[in-house]
Amino acid sequence: KQEVTQIPAALSVPEGENLVLNCSFTDSAIYNLQWFRQDPGKGLTSLLLIQSSQREQTSGRLNASLDKSSGRSTLYIAASQPGDSATYLCAVIKAAGNKLTFGGGTRVLVKP
Amino acid sequence: GAGVSQSPRYKVAKRGQDVALRCDPISGHVSLFWYQQALGQGPEFLTYFQNEAQLDKSGLPSDRFFAERPEGSVSTLKIQRTQQEDSAVYLCASSLDFSVYNEQFFGPGTRLTVL
Repeated sequence: KQEVTQIPAALSVPEGENLVLNCSFTDSAIYNLQWFRQDPGKGLTSLLLIQSSQREQTSGRLNASLDKSSGRSTLYIAASQPGDSATYLCAVIKAAGNKLTFGGGTRVLVKP
Repeated sequence: GAGVSQSPRYKVAKRGQDVALRCDPISGHVSLFWYQQALGQGPEFLTYFQNEAQLDKSGLPSDRFFAERPEGSVSTLKIQRTQQEDSAVYLCASSLDFSVYNEQFFGPGTRLTVL
């Protein structure tokens, strides 16, 4: 059974610092990995999707890497802003199906 | 265009009551998913539809949970005889195609509180 773990569970940084969020998964047979953002009381917003054949994806200040062999992904957020405060979730999808398996999330607070 | 919508946004039920949660997916999306998110945790898969067919219900926690999508569009998640442990946010997601992975678009969720 696939298990996804996110460490740390919570993170607080001053504005301007770079954020590094970690995600690990136990079964390397994944189709892709996706990073989401969740604001309080809101649904999930997709940030980046990395296909299993890719090593990284970038969008603006966000960069996500994927190392399937070690079962790890890292989300980097450069020059953090207070508006980046949210919960960040990673999720993997198996090749055979479409359901997402999520980690527990990292709650981020960026202090002005 | 409109995204995934869910109603009601908030529901308070007394223990033992039945509840029905509605999901309106993005028009034309073939696949529809329900997830349950307990406080402070990541979402967990409940069930999956491809058009009107329920292809996977392995995540439903008990036979009190029932989901349907009779016309392949709107879906309803029904919980009978609610228990306190059913308190959670119920998220619905839809995606365009089932043959290759396409991004799942999530609704805002329904927060269920069972007293």
